[in-house]
Amino acid sequence: GNSVTQMEGPVTLSEEAFLTINCTYTATGYPSLFWYVQYPGEGLQLLLKATKADDKGSNKGFEATYRKETTSFHLEKGSVQVSDSAVYFCASNTGGFKTIFGAGTRLFVKA
Amino acid sequence: GAVVSQHPSWVICKSGTSVKIECRSLDFQATTMFWYRQFPKQSLMLMATSNEGSKATYEQGVEKDKFLINHASLTLSTLTVTSAHPEDSSFYICSAGGPRSSGNTIYFGEGSWLTVV
Repeated sequence: GNSVTQMEGPVTLSEEAFLTINCTYTATGYPSLFWYVQYPGEGLQLLLKATKADDKGSNKGFEATYRKETTSFHLEKGSVQVSDSAVYFCASNTGGFKTIFGAGTRLFVKA
Repeated sequence: GAVVSQHPSWVICKSGTSVKIECRSLDFQATTMFWYRQFPKQSLMLMATSNEGSKATYEQGVEKDKFLINHASLTLSTLTVTSAHPEDSSFYICSAGGPRSSGNTIYFGEGSWLTVV
């Protein structure tokens, strides 16, 4: 079946450090892939997405590239800020709107 | 665009009473909406899929008589927690299938904190 696996957290970084949160997926067919971010006490916000192989989604300094050969969609940011502290969810969708989420990775950024 | 709003953000109710949470798509029509429950420091648990004009589809283990879902229009779905008990206290989040231009993207509401006392 379809699934999404992302690295366990929490991830703790110092401000301006490089961030990578790994995400891999299994799917029949070619899913659309998403990263959502959840700030404390809030709902989820769409951060970025990619709909086909080799697409790169980017937003607010975050990037993720759809790698079909490795079935991955790793989230990266070159220089994190304290305000990036949140929970990040990787997700996939193979059709319709039903979306499968990873377990979430909590990021703490220290000043 | 593609804004989803939930109301109320916070609600406290007495044990045994019912509480309704609304989920609205503000700038697009949503034929499909989803309701989730989230426990502290955990991922989302899909409760049900709500389709406009038809009965909701509940996930295994979710009591449909306890969590009543109504999707009466293309911009509004409601979740009613009936005869609430303290164990129903949780963060409830809705999402909506976005406009055609967004592909298969779903957009989330802000979430609603329910505390049953």
